[in-house]
Amino acid sequence: NAGVTQTPKFQVLKTGQSMTLQCAQDMNHNSMYWYRQDPGMGLRLIYYSASEGTTDKGEVPNGYNVSRLNKREFSLRLESAAPSQTSVYFCASSLKQATNEKLFFGSGTQLSVL
Amino acid sequence: AQRVTQPEKLLSVFKGAPVELKCNYSYSGSPELFWYVQYSRQRLQLLLRHISRESIKGFTADLNKGETSFHLKKPFAQEEDSAMYYCALRSQGNLIFGKGTKLSVKP
Repeated sequence: NAGVTQTPKFQVLKTGQSMTLQCAQDMNHNSMYWYRQDPGMGLRLIYYSASEGTTDKGEVPNGYNVSRLNKREFSLRLESAAPSQTSVYFCASSLKQATNEKLFFGSGTQLSVL
Repeated sequence: AQRVTQPEKLLSVFKGAPVELKCNYSYSGSPELFWYVQYSRQRLQLLLRHISRESIKGFTADLNKGETSFHLKKPFAQEEDSAMYYCALRSQGNLIFGKGTKLSVKP
């Protein structure tokens, strides 16, 4: 049981380049999330998908787009990367976006934008 | 506005000493609070949630609505407790995380 799988684990981009971070879960979860983790800032929600077919902005959505491709997969796209997007990105999922449901996290993607 | 505050970036204690990681929240309504932990080279994972009133790995956390706090406590810290700890508040279905506290337990 792989849980939440993110690819790639590491990525270096030049300013202006684009890339897509992939996330898949095999737990039949309905809700999926993208967070970024920055030193001294904790985890901040970028986008989430409460259920298949829906996506919504979180706290820091600017510069990102997402696609809930199907129930399993939720991708995060940077159309034109900026140095401010250097961060560690975590995908997470939960059975549903509801009370007491715990989040399962991926292992993270360390992104550097030069 | 909903907010989670963890005032300490770093907390360093000796093995066997008591440890308390502070968490304060701002929320209008009945809060749902969690503690997540990230050990070195491991994924972020749920440690405990207030609604379950559970004790995990010797840690407990009590919700104090009067002080709007949800501090994480352990009477005797172990070296393997060294990790990054995040307090989280559920708001409108999603989790708001604090900035985290790095706990270092020295031998």
